Amino acid sequence: AQKITQTQPGMFVQEKEAVTLDCTYDTSDPSYGLFWYKQPSSGEMIFLIYQGSYDQQNATEGRYSLNFQKARKSANLVISASQLGDSAMYFCAMREGEYNQGGKLIFGQGTELSVKP
Amino acid sequence: GAVVSQHPSWVICKSGTSVKIECRSLDFQATTMFWYRQFPKKSLMLMATSNEGSKATYEQGVEKDKFLINHASLTLSTLTVTSAHPEDSSFYICSARLAGHYNEQFFGPGTRLTVL
Repeated sequence: AQKITQTQPGMFVQEKEAVTLDCTYDTSDPSYGLFWYKQPSSGEMIFLIYQGSYDQQNATEGRYSLNFQKARKSANLVISASQLGDSAMYFCAMREGEYNQGGKLIFGQGTELSVKP
Repeated sequence: GAVVSQHPSWVICKSGTSVKIECRSLDFQATTMFWYRQFPKKSLMLMATSNEGSKATYEQGVEKDKFLINHASLTLSTLTVTSAHPEDSSFYICSARLAGHYNEQFFGPGTRLTVL
C-alpha cells in the first residue's frame, strides 16, 4: 500500500496566486514527521518545510505553509504568491518513528508545478 | 547551512564497467547517509541506508552485490555500481542526516549515470 500519496501529477498556477499541493499519508506509528522538498530541473532536492506529528500548530516557512490535518492524514503544501522560480517538482515525504530512529524517508510520487506569467 | 556534495555530477561509462560515486558532508559529520535512485519524472526510491563503520542496510529488491556501499568515515559514503548495464542508467542522489539533528536530511546535488 502507498504510504505517501500525491494525487496531482501536474499543476498550473498563475503568477502571484496561491496554490495547494496535496499529500496524504498512511501510518500506524504515532510518531512521524512530514516533509516537503522542491526539486528544480537541476535535480537538487531543496528542503522546504517540516511538520512533526505532535506539533500542535501548522508549520510555516516564508511563503510556504503546511496544512496539517492529522485525523484526515493529510499534509498539503500551500505556496502563497507564486513566483516563476517556483516551477519545479514537489515531493512530500514521511519519516516514521522518532527522529533518532533511523530517519528513513518515504517519498510520494511528486507533483510538477508550473507557474504561468 | 549543512552542505552535501556528490562526485561526479555526471558519468558515462561502457556496459560491464564499474562506477564509483562519492557523497561527502562538507561541514558536518554524518553517522547516517542514504542512497536514492530516481528515474525521470519519478519519485526517489531509497536504495540503502549507510551507517558509518558498519554494513549498509539495503531495501528490498536492491542487489547488495550490484550496488556496493561503503561508509568509511563520518563525512564520506561511496556507492559503487558494479558491472553496470544500460538499465542501471539513472539519477543517483545521496543524503546525509546530521548527527543529533531532528528535522531534515541534507541532499547532495545528484549524479547522473549513463551506461552505454
